[in-house]
Amino acid sequence: AQSVTQLDSQVPVFEEAPVELRCNYSSSVSVYLFWYVQYPNQGLQLLLKYLSGSTLVKGINGFEAEFNKSQTSFHLRKPSVHISDTAEYFCAVSSEETSGSRLTFGEGTQLTVNP
Amino acid sequence: NAGVTQTPKFQVLKTGQSMTLQCAQDMNHEYMSWYRQDPGMGLRLIHYSVGAGITDQGEVPNGYNVSRSTTEDFPLRLLSAAPSQTSVYFCATGTGLPYEQYFGPGTRLTVT
Repeated sequence: AQSVTQLDSQVPVFEEAPVELRCNYSSSVSVYLFWYVQYPNQGLQLLLKYLSGSTLVKGINGFEAEFNKSQTSFHLRKPSVHISDTAEYFCAVSSEETSGSRLTFGEGTQLTVNP
Repeated sequence: NAGVTQTPKFQVLKTGQSMTLQCAQDMNHEYMSWYRQDPGMGLRLIHYSVGAGITDQGEVPNGYNVSRSTTEDFPLRLLSAAPSQTSVYFCATGTGLPYEQYFGPGTRLTVT
């Protein structure tokens, strides 16, 4: 079985400040990791994914995440946020066992960027 | 190329009523899934399918039925709606590598 924990339910930051959204996972097999973003009243959009290879993954809108196998973490970062980054962010995991047919999600982190 | 479409966008049901949420895709993806989203709980998997004719239960299947007769469609049936099924429902599709899933716009369901 696999699970995901997002360590912060809400993260308020000021515009142009850096931000880190934390995600820990547990799994008994090799995993694939994802970050999705959900803007108000919309569906989910993929920000970035880790399948294998380099542990630093770059995504859209200036976001990046680092896969840390020893700490079972996949934290999302952005060096300078904009008001338009205000949204809910979800960390998710899949695995070879499921061939990526379904995802297990964390509880979500609401990022609010204030002027 | 519409991607993943869901109908209806909004629905209000009374307790005990039944209904079907529709999901269709034109990406020829073999995997399709239904999730429900509730505040503070993220998205939880209801049912999923790895191909036409093959379905399986996810984390929260009780009160829901699915079938997959074609690659394109994956309807979700609520057999007897309960207030606990008030939620936002998302349909998603995917394939093998690179394993990402594509989400529809969602259906907001209220059961009174």
